[in-house]
Amino acid sequence: AQSVTQLGSHVSVSEGALVLLRCNYSSSVPPYLFWYVQYPNQGLQLLLKYTSAATLVKGINGFEAEFKKSETSFHLTKPSAHMSDAAEYFCAGCSSGNTGKLIFGQGTTLQVKP
Amino acid sequence: EAGVAQSPRYKIIEKRQSVAFWCNPISGHATLYWYQQILGQGPKLLIQFQNNGVVDDSQLPKDRFSAERLKGVDSTLKIQPAKLEDSAVYLCASSSDRGQDTQYFGPGTRLTVL
Repeated sequence: AQSVTQLGSHVSVSEGALVLLRCNYSSSVPPYLFWYVQYPNQGLQLLLKYTSAATLVKGINGFEAEFKKSETSFHLTKPSAHMSDAAEYFCAGCSSGNTGKLIFGQGTTLQVKP
Repeated sequence: EAGVAQSPRYKIIEKRQSVAFWCNPISGHATLYWYQQILGQGPKLLIQFQNNGVVDDSQLPKDRFSAERLKGVDSTLKIQPAKLEDSAVYLCASSSDRGQDTQYFGPGTRLTVL
C-alpha cells in the first residue's frame, strides 16, 4: 500500500535560512508526488509536482524539490526563508494509473523567526 | 478563472444533528473530490466523482455520510447523524481529469460537532 511520511511535524528556521522539509514515500512503482501549502483558514495551494519528467522540480515562491528514487524521498527546499513562508506544508502522492486519489502526509508546520 | 467555491465556511452543530456542505468546482472540471482533514492530520479522501459517477468512495462512512453530484457540476456532502469525531475541515477539490492532473482546493468548511 502506498504511504507518504513527513519527518518532523514542526520545523523552525530563521528568516533568510535554508528551508528543508522532508518527505518519504512508499510505493512499488514511481509515483506522482506533490507539495501543497496551506495558510491558516485557507485551502491547499499547489507548490510543485513531480510527474517523472525531471527529478529536480521547481515550484512557486522559490521552492524546489528533488525526487530521489534510491532514497524514496521528495524533500522540499528553499534557499532563503521569508516570513511569508510560515504555513503548513503537505507532501502527497498518487500512483501512476491511479484514479487521482492523493495520499497525504501528516503535514509539517513551518515557523519562520525574525 | 474562479476557484473552487465551498459553503458554508464554518458550521457548529450538536451531535446527532445533520449537516450539509456544498461545493462548486472550477468550470469544466470533470473530477471532484471531497477530503476530510482532522486537526493535525493530512487530508483523507472521502469520495471522488468523475462527472456525476462515483469513482472511489471506499473511505466514506456510508452509514452516516452521503454525497451526490447531480448533473456533474456542483456537489453536496451530507452527514446524518453527526458524531463528535466528525469535527474536521471538509475540503472540496477539482481537477480537469483524473490521474496526475493538479487538484485545486477550495477554502474548506470547518465543522465543529458539540
